[in-house]
Order: sequence, then structure tokens, then C-alpha cells
Amino acid sequence: NAGVTQTPKFRVLKTGQSMTLLCAQDMNHEYMYWYRQDPGMGLRLIHYSVGEGTTAKGEVPDGYNVSRLKKQNFLLGLESAAPSQTSVYFCASSPDWVGEQFFGPGTRLTVL
Amino acid sequence: AQRVTQPEKLLSVFKGAPVELKCNYSYSGSPELFWYVQYSRQRLQLLLRHISRESIKGFTADLNKGETSFHLKKPFAQEEDSAMYYCALSRNQGGKLIFGQGTELSVKP
Repeated sequence: NAGVTQTPKFRVLKTGQSMTLLCAQDMNHEYMYWYRQDPGMGLRLIHYSVGEGTTAKGEVPDGYNVSRLKKQNFLLGLESAAPSQTSVYFCASSPDWVGEQFFGPGTRLTVL
Repeated sequence: AQRVTQPEKLLSVFKGAPVELKCNYSYSGSPELFWYVQYSRQRLQLLLRHISRESIKGFTADLNKGETSFHLKKPFAQEEDSAMYYCALSRNQGGKLIFGQGTELSVKP
């Protein structure tokens, strides 16, 4: 099993460009999450999903959109990238609301 | 408001010395608390959770509801313990985790 995978690993964008980050999990988990990791701030939840076809806002949702059309995939979109969105993005999944979260390897995004 | 605080950004100890990484939380309900670890160039992974009361890699953590703390301890640090450690709290709302700011542990030979 690959666990949680993220595509791409690195990306450099110019301000105003758009992109989509893909998260995939092969563990049949219901819950999926997108976090951003910034120095001195830990991980902050952007959006999450409690099942296929559902999404909800986390702590820092502004400037991002998500979709969960298939249970195994959770997409994070940036419609118009800003330098403040330079960060490392982590996807995670869990089997239930009290379970351990399993993390992907991260995507390092730089917005110039 | 729910919050997790890790007061130390960096903790540096020598091999064989005891280690304590501090974590304090604020939460009005019954918290689920976790420690996650991120080794260099690896993904974040669960180290331990308070309900299991296990010792993982020699680390233990006790939930102290009176002091609202969940400090991570190890009696004798090893060089391979060098990593970033995150304390996290789970609320009863879809399993969302609130992370602390993280503490970088550096174990010197």
C-alpha cells in the first residue's frame, strides 16, 4: 500500500496563477484533510472532508477550494495564488474521527 | 477557544540526558491528545496518543487535566530522537486536529 500520496512534490507559481494539488489514499479512509505548515505556526487546517462528496472549512480556508468527488482523492485548489500562500502543504487521512491521521509527504509551494 | 501551546521552539540536549517536551492545552471538553513526530525528510507520523497509554521508542506522555498539560518525556535521549515534535488536540468535530507550534529536538553526541 502506498498510503497517502501527494502530487506534485514541489511547485513554483507566479502571483495570480492557479494550480491544483492532488492527494490520494488507498486505505479506504472516510476522513481527509489539508493542512499548511509554516515556521513557528505548526500545522493549520485548511479544509477537510468527512466522506465522498462532502467538504468543510477549517481554520484558514480563504483563498483555497477543495473537492472530494471520489473517496480516495481530495483536491486542493488555488484559484489565484498569492505570496502568502507560500508554504508546505500536507494532506492526511483517517478512518474515523478519533483515529490516527496518516500524512502524505508534503508539497512545497512557492509563490513569487 | 481551543488552543495547544508548545513553549519551546528548540530543545537541545546531549545524548543520554533526560528530555521533556512541554505541551499545554486549553479545551472545555474531554480532550484526545496526541504527539506527532517528523524526522528529517520524512512525513509526519503518530508517536503516541494519551488513550493508549503506551510507551513508544522510550517516550511517554501523561495527561494532567488539572494542569492541562500533556508533556512528552524520555529518560535517556538518543541521537535518532532528533526531530520536530508536534502536540495535537482532537475535538469532537470530525476528528479535526489542533496542532501546537512544534518543538525541534536536537540530541547532540
